[in-house]
Amino acid sequence: DTAVSQTPKYLVTQMGNDKSIKCEQNLGHDTMYWYKQDSKKFLKIMFSYNNKELIINETVPNRFSPKSPDKAHLNLHINSLELGDSAVYFCASSQAYQGADTQYFGPGTRLTVL
Amino acid sequence: GQQVMQIPQYQHVQEGEDFTTYCNSSTTLSNIQWYKQRPGGHPVFLIQLVKSGEVKKQKRLTFQFGEAKKNSSLHITATQTTDVGTYFCAGGDSSYKLIFGSGTRLLVRP
Repeated sequence: DTAVSQTPKYLVTQMGNDKSIKCEQNLGHDTMYWYKQDSKKFLKIMFSYNNKELIINETVPNRFSPKSPDKAHLNLHINSLELGDSAVYFCASSQAYQGADTQYFGPGTRLTVL
Repeated sequence: GQQVMQIPQYQHVQEGEDFTTYCNSSTTLSNIQWYKQRPGGHPVFLIQLVKSGEVKKQKRLTFQFGEAKKNSSLHITATQTTDVGTYFCAGGDSSYKLIFGSGTRLLVRP
C-alpha cells in the first residue's frame, strides 16, 4: 500500500489555466505538507497543515491555495498558472507538526507550464 | 531566518571511492535528518540525529551531528552505483519547520 500518494504524476498545461493536485496519506499522520522542488533540486516548503488547520504558509503567491478536507488529504489548487510554476511538487506527511518529525514524501507531481 | 547550507553541490566519484557531504546551519538545531532522493524519485528518510556529537552508522553510511548542533556530515565508504542520488540534510528547530539543505548530487562512475 502506498503511504503517501499524489495525483496526477504529470501535469502539462498552458499558461493562465487553473489546475489541482491531490494528495492522500494512509499513515494516520496529523500533519501534511506541500513542497516545491525546482530544476536545481531545491526543496522549499510551501504549506503545512495540522489536523486540517494551516500551520505554515511560506511566501507563496496567493494563486496557490491549499485545502485540507480531512487530516488524510491535502490538495493544492493553483490559479492562473505561470511559466515559473513549472516544478515538481511533493506532498509529505509527518506524525506531529514539529520540526523534529520524520517526513514521508509522496512520489511527486511534475508540473510543466507551457 | 534559519538557513541550512550544504556542500558540495555535486560530487562525481569512481566506484569504490569515499564520499562526504557537509551540512551547516545558521542556528542551533534540535535535530538533523538526512534524506536520499534517487534520480526521478522522491526524498526518502535515512536517519535522524538528536544528540550533540552523535554518530550513527548504517552499513557503509556514517552520520555525524556536531557538538554545537549546528553542523552535520554524511560519509559513504566505498561508494557503489546504487548510492547515486541527491542527499539532503534537513534541520529541525523549535518551530514547525524542517529546513532542507540545498542537497549534494552524487554521481558514481562504474
